[in-house]
Amino acid sequence: GENVEQHPSTLSVQEGDSAVIKCTYSDSASNYFPWYKQELGKRPQLIIDIRSNVGEKKDQRIAVTLNKTAKHFSLHITETQPEDSAVYFCAASQLGAGTALIFGKGTTLSVSS
Amino acid sequence: DAGVIQSPRHEVTEMGQEVTLRCKPISGHNSLFWYRQTMMRGLELLIYFNNNVPIDDSGMPEDRFSAKMPNASFSTLKIQPSEPRDSAVYFCASSRAPGQGTYEQYFGPGTRLTVT
Repeated sequence: GENVEQHPSTLSVQEGDSAVIKCTYSDSASNYFPWYKQELGKRPQLIIDIRSNVGEKKDQRIAVTLNKTAKHFSLHITETQPEDSAVYFCAASQLGAGTALIFGKGTTLSVSS
Repeated sequence: DAGVIQSPRHEVTEMGQEVTLRCKPISGHNSLFWYRQTMMRGLELLIYFNNNVPIDDSGMPEDRFSAKMPNASFSTLKIQPSEPRDSAVYFCASSRAPGQGTYEQYFGPGTRLTVT
């Protein structure tokens, strides 16, 4: 089955800096890669996703890149703000009859002002 | 829409007791997922259903865990008997069927289970 590795497990940056979180996946059949943000005590919420027919996707200060050959994808947050502090999870799945997400272990991002 | 609804929000029980967690998915969503979250193991997929049918329960840790989805608007996750190592936050999530727009999974608020 699919296995998703996520690094780093913790990341501390200064406000205004960029943050990069990286994930690798094992199943070459996976074609959908979402990123979820979970604030303390809250539920995970989707912030951006990418499908395998696209190499990069941007939404304001966040972007995701995908390298299918190397089987890795990354989340980039620019101009970080204190409210970006949260746990970020990457996930991978195959779109089809059912879409079960396999999550990475998460990255705790701390943005200090 | 009220979103995914889970109950109870908090459950404290003694080892050996039966625990039942409940979930109401978003109306019109065809897929329902149960996850368990702990510090050590992160977010683990336990089981998921498509159109009320269990598709993959390979994540269910032991026979003590069982899940049902008797209709499109209700699912339960049962632990019998419960053990302290079952303590975790249990999330239910739902999504539309593939081909019906977004693939986003919407999570419920979670049930924090503590087994003493």
